Amino acid sequence: LAKTTQPISMDSYEGQEVNITCSHNNIATNDYITWYQQFPSQGPRFIIQGYKTKVTNEVASLFIPADRKSSTLSLPRVSLSDTAVYYCLVGDRRYGNKLVFGAGTILRVKS
Amino acid sequence: NAGVTQTPKFQVLKTGQSMTLQCAQDMNHNSMYWYRQDPGMGLRLIYYSASEGTTDKGEVPNGYNVSRLNKREFSLRLESAAPSQTSVYFCASQPLAGSTDTQYFGPGTRLTVL
Repeated sequence: LAKTTQPISMDSYEGQEVNITCSHNNIATNDYITWYQQFPSQGPRFIIQGYKTKVTNEVASLFIPADRKSSTLSLPRVSLSDTAVYYCLVGDRRYGNKLVFGAGTILRVKS
Repeated sequence: NAGVTQTPKFQVLKTGQSMTLQCAQDMNHNSMYWYRQDPGMGLRLIYYSASEGTTDKGEVPNGYNVSRLNKREFSLRLESAAPSQTSVYFCASQPLAGSTDTQYFGPGTRLTVL
């Protein structure tokens, strides 16, 4: 069973705000929600992590509603260099609470 | 700090050949992981090592073996390579096993099995 569900792809233009929503209906009480970014021919890179409400860092914001069954990654004013695959992960108890990557969301930023 | 390093960067094998992919981290992390990524797909966990001296199977362990040589190094071995193992292999490390800790990834090894 898939642990998280994300859109397969999204398109945006430079300067716009992009919101990518992830569904995780079966999230466990102790699970955190983590987002990674992957550029072509590179390994994934950590973006942001949260447990509830809102988290913000220099790269993105993460919004988590009270029921924690979904989360939204917000990228402000994207640029061409933000074109990448974005993965939403929660801890997977099948593997001792290790992270499990789904297919991710391909974000294409156009000029 | 180099972070997570992997060797080789590229490798071409013939069906039935064996090889070992090397991974090392210099961040004093306890946990290490091996993933594979097929074209257009997400990463799938092959094996992981929560701490030195322990290894466990992930989602797709068949056809692979691993060795946690010491705290720094975690190798992945293909005993008899098959075309289905053509993929990009990523190694990652994590301070402590668990979803609250960031995983740091290496640059990957691109393996082609003919």
